[in-house]
Amino acid sequence: EDKVVQSPLSLVVHEGDTVTLNCSYEVTNFRSLLWYKQEKKAPTFLFMLTSSGIEKKSGRLSSILDKKELFSILNITATQTGDSAIYLCAGETSGSRLTFGEGTQLTVNP
Amino acid sequence: NAGVTQTPKFRILKIGQSMTLQCTQDMNHNYMYWYRQDPGMGLKLIYYSVGAGITDKGEVPNGYNVSRSTTEDFPLRLELAAPSQTSVYFCASSYHRAGANVLTFGAGSRLTVL
Repeated sequence: EDKVVQSPLSLVVHEGDTVTLNCSYEVTNFRSLLWYKQEKKAPTFLFMLTSSGIEKKSGRLSSILDKKELFSILNITATQTGDSAIYLCAGETSGSRLTFGEGTQLTVNP
Repeated sequence: NAGVTQTPKFRILKIGQSMTLQCTQDMNHNYMYWYRQDPGMGLKLIYYSVGAGITDKGEVPNGYNVSRSTTEDFPLRLELAAPSQTSVYFCASSYHRAGANVLTFGAGSRLTVL
């Protein structure tokens, strides 16, 4: 059975802090790993990673994949209150099904 | 730019009632999905479709049915609603390419079964 585990499940930080969110996966016929941000409504796409060791970056957010150790991290530097959200990690299997983790609830306090 | 549109946004059902959640996309995506999200949990796949006329079960299909008669529409049917089906339902679609399957989600439908 495919499995994606995220940690921590919940995190409270102050503005300006740097956070690291973790995602480990056991996915049959792994194709890619995706990160989504979910605020009040629908998840919105952040990154898709397919190759080990290549960092994807968008502003203050960055992510990297380790296919040997089967994990990915999402880094957010200089956090802002607008970064408060649930961050979801998903592994893509053969057949293009995504298995999602439980998510990390990030709260950034002013 | 409508993207993925779900209706209704909110619904309260009594135990045993049936209903259909509608989902339509205007991006000509071939793949469509239904997920449910319970409080504090990630997304669980209910059903998905790789194209018109083709559907398949996900992780949690019991109590649900789907159909895909057109590329655009992928309705989710709840038969004999139960309190365990209280959840937020998300429809999603993608233009499938292996290793490049980025899903676009609808805004969600919050269903309460009492």
